[in-house]
Amino acid sequence: DAKTTQPTSMDCAEGRAANLPCNHSTISGNEYVYWYRQIHSQGPQYIIHGLKNNETNEMASLIITEDRKSSTLILPHATLRDTAVYYCIVRLPESYSGNTPLVFGKGTRLSVIA
Amino acid sequence: GAVVSQHPSRVICKSGTSVKIECRSLDFQATTMFWYRQFPKQSLMLMATSNEGSKATYEQGVEKDKFLINHASLTLSTLTVTSAHPEDSSFYICSARRIATNEKLFFGSGTQLSVL
Repeated sequence: DAKTTQPTSMDCAEGRAANLPCNHSTISGNEYVYWYRQIHSQGPQYIIHGLKNNETNEMASLIITEDRKSSTLILPHATLRDTAVYYCIVRLPESYSGNTPLVFGKGTRLSVIA
Repeated sequence: GAVVSQHPSRVICKSGTSVKIECRSLDFQATTMFWYRQFPKQSLMLMATSNEGSKATYEQGVEKDKFLINHASLTLSTLTVTSAHPEDSSFYICSARRIATNEKLFFGSGTQLSVL
């Protein structure tokens, strides 16, 4: 039961910003938005997460709308190595959810083109 | 970040044989590890939860007698695909979290199983 909706695929030119949207209209008050990515034939890699404020780290920025019903992951300067499937996951933070697994939706396949 | 190691990264076997996949937490202890399966162009599907010192918990539709899970220590869980068939060919991934922490889940690099 996916709680998020993402486009199936997106293309982005190398060096440009990649903006990946995610809809999560049924998100509850204490659920966070997490982003992971999976490069081909590798395990998923954590990118970023947030509750309601915008977040930024060395990999990406996360913009969450004020009503928290959608968010956008931004890769500011996409490179060929950013080609991957990006998963948006809504869940309680680890401090609340305990030792529970991540549930993955279908994600967005981002292709960065030279 | 914490490191989860999987071995082998790729294995090819004949139909009817058994294959063991190891998942190790290299620099931390984990009482629980999770096993996922991923078919081509599909998302990761949770197969089972591996609990140190006790029986694994399997998701609906996953045969526990076919996918044997052993979590004998706080750093090692193994998944054995018994009597493998071509339809078991898939990408298997494990994940773990450092014991008694709120850290994120870390994932192994995956094992590509091909059954001929």
